[in-house]
Parts: sequence; structure tokens; C-alpha cells
Amino acid sequence: EAGVVQSPRYKIIEKKQPVAFWCNPISGHNTLYWYLQNLGQGPELLIRYENEEAVDDSQLPKDRFSAERLKGVDSTLKIQPAELGDSAVYLCASSSHKGDTQYFGPGTRLTVL
Amino acid sequence: GQNIDQPTEMTATEGAIVQINCTYQTSGFNGLFWYQQHAGEAPTFLSYNVLDGLEEKGRFSSFLSRSKGYSYLLLKELQMKDSASYLCAVRDDSSASKIIFGSGTRLSIRP
Repeated sequence: EAGVVQSPRYKIIEKKQPVAFWCNPISGHNTLYWYLQNLGQGPELLIRYENEEAVDDSQLPKDRFSAERLKGVDSTLKIQPAELGDSAVYLCASSSHKGDTQYFGPGTRLTVL
Repeated sequence: GQNIDQPTEMTATEGAIVQINCTYQTSGFNGLFWYQQHAGEAPTFLSYNVLDGLEEKGRFSSFLSRSKGYSYLLLKELQMKDSASYLCAVRDDSSASKIIFGSGTRLSIRP
């Protein structure tokens, strides 16, 4: 069974530019998560989807970050415009249902110059 | 509120045993996860405890005491490949089953 797929794996952009990350969860998983992870820290939740509905986006900086999960499968996370402080690893995870074991994708390492 | 504490770094010797502790404070506790994360890679699931007691899985065991808000991950017969960060994560059902991660413990294994 394929795991969580993310692309791109690495992205380098200049500040004020837009960037988008894509995630394909494990087939059949209803819950999808986007996390931000800084070096030496644990993952911090940005947004959680139950099917196509965003049920927890309290930590998402909505002035510059947006996300969507069309048809309740793939998801896209966008930053526009990017700031220097957005440099981090963006992890996508999925689980069968909320609260269940999460399976993580390889992440996208974003560097903002 | 929620609070998860685990040591920042630990060092152990190949072949030995190491215990990584995690304490937590959360109002709606309903389970604790341990994940392993090698440098530059994604976290991978190790264990899940919801009831008090010890869960053993090969060289790794995880213990939970709900009354004390305490868990530990026990790694036996350490191998060099066990050098990684170990993340403690708590499920909080007072927050719609949110999973809260600790900052992780970076474990270094020396020969």
C-alpha cells in the first residue's frame, strides 16, 4: 500500500513569492493534516481536514496561508506571500479517522531567501 | 491548556537500554503516541497507549500512567540506527481529538 505522498520534496524561493505544496493521503483515510516543523521541534498543526471539511484551522495564519482538499482526497497548502520565517519543513499526514494513528509523508523542506 | 515535556537530548551506548520520559498535562487525555524521526525524514509510528501499563513491541516498549500524566519509551539492545528523535504526542478529546506533539528527544547512540 502506498504511503502519504508529498511534492515537491524541496523548494527554495525568494521572500514575497508564492509557493504551493501538494499531498496525496493514504487511500481511504478520511482525516488529513498539515503540520509545520522547525528544526529541533515537534510538528505543529496548521490545519486538519475531515473529508473535505476543514475542522481545525486555528493555527493557520490566514492572512498568507490557505489550504484546500477538493473531493476529500488530495490537498494543497499555499503560502502567498512567503516570508523568511516560513522556512521550515511542511509535513502532511493522514489517518483513518480523527484521533487515530497518523502516517506522515516525507515532507517539503521550504527555504525562503 | 496542554503541555508536553520530554528531555531535549539523551546519549546512550550501543547494546544498552535507554528510557525516554514524557510528562503531559491535558484536560481531555485519550491516548499517547510515540513516533521515531530520523534526521531529514518523516515521523514514523512506534506505539500507542491508552490504558495504564506496559506495551511491548520487540526491542521497544511503551508505558503509560494516566493518573500521573506520565509515559516512557524503553529501547533495549540499542543499535546505531536507533539514533533519532523520539516524539511523544498526546490525543486531547477536549479539542476534537487533536494530537499535540512534544518537542522531541534527540537520542544519540555511541559505539
